[in-house]
Amino acid sequence: GQQVMQIPQYQHVQEGEDFTTYCNSSTTLSNIQWYKQRPGGHPVFLIQLVKSGEVKKQKRLTFQFGEAKKNSSLHITATQTTDVGTYFCENDMRFGAGTRLTVKP
Amino acid sequence: SQTIHQWPATLVQPVGSPLSLECTVEGTSNPNLYWYRQAAGRGLQLLFYSVGIGQISSEVPQNLSASRPQDRQFILSSKKLLLSDSGFYLCAWTPRGAGNTIYFGEGSWLTVV
Repeated sequence: GQQVMQIPQYQHVQEGEDFTTYCNSSTTLSNIQWYKQRPGGHPVFLIQLVKSGEVKKQKRLTFQFGEAKKNSSLHITATQTTDVGTYFCENDMRFGAGTRLTVKP
Repeated sequence: SQTIHQWPATLVQPVGSPLSLECTVEGTSNPNLYWYRQAAGRGLQLLFYSVGIGQISSEVPQNLSASRPQDRQFILSSKKLLLSDSGFYLCAWTPRGAGNTIYFGEGSWLTVV
């Protein structure tokens, strides 16, 4: 399976600022999943996107799947210190490299 | 409900020693099972996956092997550890079929010295 490319590798923000991570693929994806891994922990499932152009929200988190189903993004509005961790996208058992988010209080 | 157990949680092993990490899933049948490795501060590398007893697919050539002696048991092994085998090993499962959520165990921290 083709691995998805994820950027940026790191993101450091001030608490209250927004955060976005992006995943891209050269091929059309059937679906894409997003996970969060807290420091020292294991990845935990956040959401699955399946439909072209799909947008899903979980409180301050907004997930999007591109119209061509080749890209996806996770946006966090007004970050909090509890958002700290690494966010991964995944397709067909294969994960993006992850974006490590740190939040300065 | 389904649960996944993985052990040991941490271990320190000398170079050249054997390794055995074990993982079991409860509350489901015929799961797909996976072993991932995560180097410090890095991404998740798929090592092995299994769709049934005795069926193992290896993603990358390496010093490790996997076995699935029972439907809900997955074992990661090595005969002789290398320093480069150090990392965070994660067992995971999905329901049978493609495109399903991956559920991870707590992970095993391996340090080879």
